[in-house]
Amino acid sequence: EAGVAQSPRYKIIEKRQSVAFWCNPISGHATLYWYQQILGQGPKLLIQFQNNGVVDDSQLPKDRFSAERLKGVDSTLKIQPAKLEDSAVYLCASSLRLTSYEQYFGPGTRLTVT
Amino acid sequence: DQQVKQNSPSLSVQEGRISILNCDYTNSMFDYFLWYKKYPAEGPTFLISISSIKDKNEDGRFTVFLNKSAKHLSLHIVPSQPGDSAVYFCAAREGTNAGKSTFGDGTTLTVKP
Repeated sequence: EAGVAQSPRYKIIEKRQSVAFWCNPISGHATLYWYQQILGQGPKLLIQFQNNGVVDDSQLPKDRFSAERLKGVDSTLKIQPAKLEDSAVYLCASSLRLTSYEQYFGPGTRLTVT
Repeated sequence: DQQVKQNSPSLSVQEGRISILNCDYTNSMFDYFLWYKKYPAEGPTFLISISSIKDKNEDGRFTVFLNKSAKHLSLHIVPSQPGDSAVYFCAAREGTNAGKSTFGDGTTLTVKP
């Protein structure tokens, strides 16, 4: 069974530029999560989807971050414009259903904003 | 306000000995707890979990203990192996949204041969 796929693995941009990350969850997993992990900290949930609907986006900085999961499968997270403090690893995870406790994480995208 | 805390950023143990990783939480609504293991350049992988109705769960060399009154859980690894060297994250869930995990900042475990 293929795991959660993410691309790109690394990205370097200048502040005020925009960037997009892509995630393809495990086949059949209805729930998808985007986390931000700043160096030295644990992952922080940004947004949670159930199929193509948003379940929780309370910690998503909506003035600059957006995410979509249009067909209920893969998802895109966008930052526009980026700030220096957005430098982090962006992790995508999926789970079989909303009530599943175990999540499966992708390898992440390391973003550096200069 | 950090609801899940791992107060030891790092831990070093000798191969074959016991590793004990600790985690404290403040939210009494948490009812399920998980430990994830993370190697460099990889995403976290699930290791072991425990429901709040239990005080112990064991899986091979890994055992998680939960003390609800103290809002404290610990992960024991016996015996420790060099391949266990990784960052370990404690995470907690509320029953109202089983999908939403709150993570601690992690403990880096180094197991020396």
